[in-house]
Amino acid sequence: GDSVTQKQGQVTLSEDDFLFINCTYSTTTYPTLLWYVQYPGQGPQLLLKVTTANNKGISRGFEATYDKGTTSFHLQKASVQESDSAVYFCALVGPGTGSNRLTFGKGTKFSLIP
Amino acid sequence: DMKVTQMPRYLIKRMGENVLLECGQDMSHETMYWYRQDPGLGLQLIYISYDVDSNSEGDIPKGYRVSRKKREHFSLILDSAKTNQTSVYFCASSPGQGDTEVFFGKGTRLTVV
Repeated sequence: GDSVTQKQGQVTLSEDDFLFINCTYSTTTYPTLLWYVQYPGQGPQLLLKVTTANNKGISRGFEATYDKGTTSFHLQKASVQESDSAVYFCALVGPGTGSNRLTFGKGTKFSLIP
Repeated sequence: DMKVTQMPRYLIKRMGENVLLECGQDMSHETMYWYRQDPGLGLQLIYISYDVDSNSEGDIPKGYRVSRKKREHFSLILDSAKTNQTSVYFCASSPGQGDTEVFFGKGTRLTVV
């Protein structure tokens, strides 16, 4: 079945550093790949969507890309700020096209070095 | 303002008690979900509902059941709660087939003692 692996449990950086979070996926169909962000005390909210059609998504200074050859997709931001502190989840739509189901990674908690 | 509302936000129950978590959405979305979130495990799908009285098991349905009698309302029921059901429960909704914008509520933190 469909699966997504997000190995980075926690990332800690200094302000203005480059943030990079990686996920790998497994699916038998053309993937729609998502990034969700969860701020403290809130539910997750959609940050970016990447499909085989657009290969890239950009929102709020974040960029998401995917690599079909390595079945991986990435979230990156050039210069992180305190307001970016949150948990980031990658997710895969499926199984199957037209599905309502999302398969989530385990999440990466990002915080700034105090 | 489009939103998913969960009640209650915090709940403490004794082992063996019944638990009812309620969720409402004001967007007329067809599809609704219940997820649980545990540290290090991410979000796990318990049940998905495609419309009124059209519910399907997710990945971890054991120990839970759901009810959807109105499109805007979706309930999660724990009959005889167990300590391992202590978790944060999220309700969510989306417009319909293939739409990837899933809207989440703020969650209910359930503690079973």
